[in-house]
Amino acid sequence: QVQLVESGGGVVQPGRSLRLSCAASGFTFSSDVLHWVRQAPGKGLEWVAIISYDGSNTYHADSVKGRFTISRDISKNTLYLQMNSLRAEDTAVYYCARALEGIAVAPLDSWGQGTLVTVSS
Amino acid sequence: SYVLTQPPSVSVAPGKTARITCGGNDIGSKGVHWYQQKPGQAPVLVIYYDGDRPSGIPERLSGSNSGNTATLTISRVEAGDEADYYCQVWDSSSDHWVFGGGTKLTVL
Repeated sequence: QVQLVESGGGVVQPGRSLRLSCAASGFTFSSDVLHWVRQAPGKGLEWVAIISYDGSNTYHADSVKGRFTISRDISKNTLYLQMNSLRAEDTAVYYCARALEGIAVAPLDSWGQGTLVTVSS
Repeated sequence: SYVLTQPPSVSVAPGKTARITCGGNDIGSKGVHWYQQKPGQAPVLVIYYDGDRPSGIPERLSGSNSGNTATLTISRVEAGDEADYYCQVWDSSSDHWVFGGGTKLTVL
């Protein structure tokens, strides 16, 4: 079955960088659209970024544009989120998720368990 | 940017019907997805493209979408339905996904 396992979270100082990883298995990684979604403590879901099946197209939320970059390594079946210039407001659980089909409008039918990022001095 | 508006909370007695709304400008022209999230767990897709149900989701959950409002309806509510529910759309004008603020469903 589909499995998504995030890693790389932790405590980081403001202004520093962190890279999250999401190891995928149980589906054809090179065929699916993938997303990052985050959730600040006690808050709602916030979409972060989307990447096309081949990595050629990416879109990022305005709140992270220019600081975060979504990417994928098909040879490693792994999705990444490079986070630079981190701010306190980036503190959240970060989920990777797979879209039901390979188009931007498709819903997210599989989610990882999430990894917590805490930005604090 | 596109905004989705949900009521913060909805309360319903067991066995009754809960309706959770999601408001947005001409949302009826977009495909709406709904997610259920229980405490400490990842979200789960419960309705997609306005009214389709993934396998394993009970028929008690249904969705509709027209005009400026999409609605998630949960019939014969059970204690296990207590959760946060989020609506979501793809905003093609900005190439961004948008989530509603979420609605906490409380079963009395």
